[in-house]
Order: sequence, then C-alpha cells, then structure tokens
Amino acid sequence: QKEVEQNSGPLSVPEGAIASLNCTYSDRGSQSFFWYRQYSGKSPELIMFIYSNGDKEDGRFTAQLNKASQYVSLLIRDSQPSDSATYLCAVNGAGANSKLTFGKGITLSVRP
Amino acid sequence: DGGITQSPKYLFRKEGQNVTLSCEQNLNHDAMYWYRQDPGQGLRLIYYSQIVNDFQKGDIAEGYSVSREKKESFPLTVTSAQKNPTAFYLCASSTRTLGANVLTFGAGSRLTVL
Repeated sequence: QKEVEQNSGPLSVPEGAIASLNCTYSDRGSQSFFWYRQYSGKSPELIMFIYSNGDKEDGRFTAQLNKASQYVSLLIRDSQPSDSATYLCAVNGAGANSKLTFGKGITLSVRP
Repeated sequence: DGGITQSPKYLFRKEGQNVTLSCEQNLNHDAMYWYRQDPGQGLRLIYYSQIVNDFQKGDIAEGYSVSREKKESFPLTVTSAQKNPTAFYLCASSTRTLGANVLTFGAGSRLTVL
C-alpha cells in the first residue's frame, strides 16, 4: 500500500512568517509530487508540482523535493490570512497510467 | 471557459436509494477520476477511467458504479450497497504535463443520507 504522510496539524503562523509544510511518501519509485490547496467546503486547486530533486519556486511558494529521503515540502513565504486553508500533498507513481495518492492534508491558519 | 462541471452541488438521499452524480468536462482530457473525501481525511479514489468505454476500480469501489460512454462524461452512481455514503465527492480529469498527471477538479457534490 502506497502511503503519503503529512504532519498532523493544525499549523498556525503569524502573518508575514514562513509556513513550512512537510510530506513523506513510501513508494521509492514515485515520480511526481503535487501540492494542492483546499479552502473549506471547496475543491482542491493545484499550487504546484515538482519532479526533480531540489527546489522549485513559484511566487511566494517553494516546493522542495528530496527523493533519497522520500520527502517533499512546501514553503509559503510572507504568509497571508488568505493562505489559511488545508494543504494536500499528492504523489504520483511511475508510469503514464499511475494513480495519484493523497495525504490527509494539514490545515494552515495564518494569524493577522 | 474550460472546466469540469459537477451536479448537483448538494444531494440528499434516503437509505436504500441509488443516486447518480454527474461529471462533465470540456478540457478534452482522456482520463477522469472520482474521489471521496470525508471530514479530516484526504482524497480516496473510487473509480478512474483512462479512455472511453474503459474504467478501473480504485481503492474504495465497493457500493459504487460508473460508466464512460463519452469522453466528456463520467457519471458516478452511489448504490444502496454503499453503507456510509455521506461524503464530499470530487470528480477530476487529468492531462500529462512535463511527464506528470496533473489533475483538475470539479467543484464537488456533497451527498447526505437522511
């Protein structure tokens, strides 16, 4: 059973701080890694995905991937109250037809 | 605008009834998926379809059925055999971008059993 684990939350940070969200996965053959944001009562929306070791930056968001240690993280710089949401980590195995496995998510609260 | 349309947004079902959730996409994506989300839980895969007239069971397919007669449509039926159907149901479709299956979600359908 492929597993994706996220830190138990909730996570609370003050406005302007860096929020660090972590995720580990069990399938060493996993190829691509996704972060989705889900506001309460809404559907998930893609923030970014990464497939190479290292960092990938998109605006205030940075995804970090370490395949040797089997973890992926999301950093949110200059956190805003509008970033308050649940963040879902998802992992795609190898192959074109592989399925996405989701973690349970971590709820982030940004205090004004 | 391209996207995924799910209907109804809210649905109430009496025990013993089958209900069908609609999912239509105009993104020209080949693959479509149904997920279930319970409070405080991640998304669990019910069924998925890579091409028309073909679909596979996901991790929690028992009590559900699907069809894929058209590329644009992937309806989900929640049957009376599903013992705990109250949940948030999400339909998604995917395209491969830079070798990754990138999912786009519909707005979801919230099913409540009375």
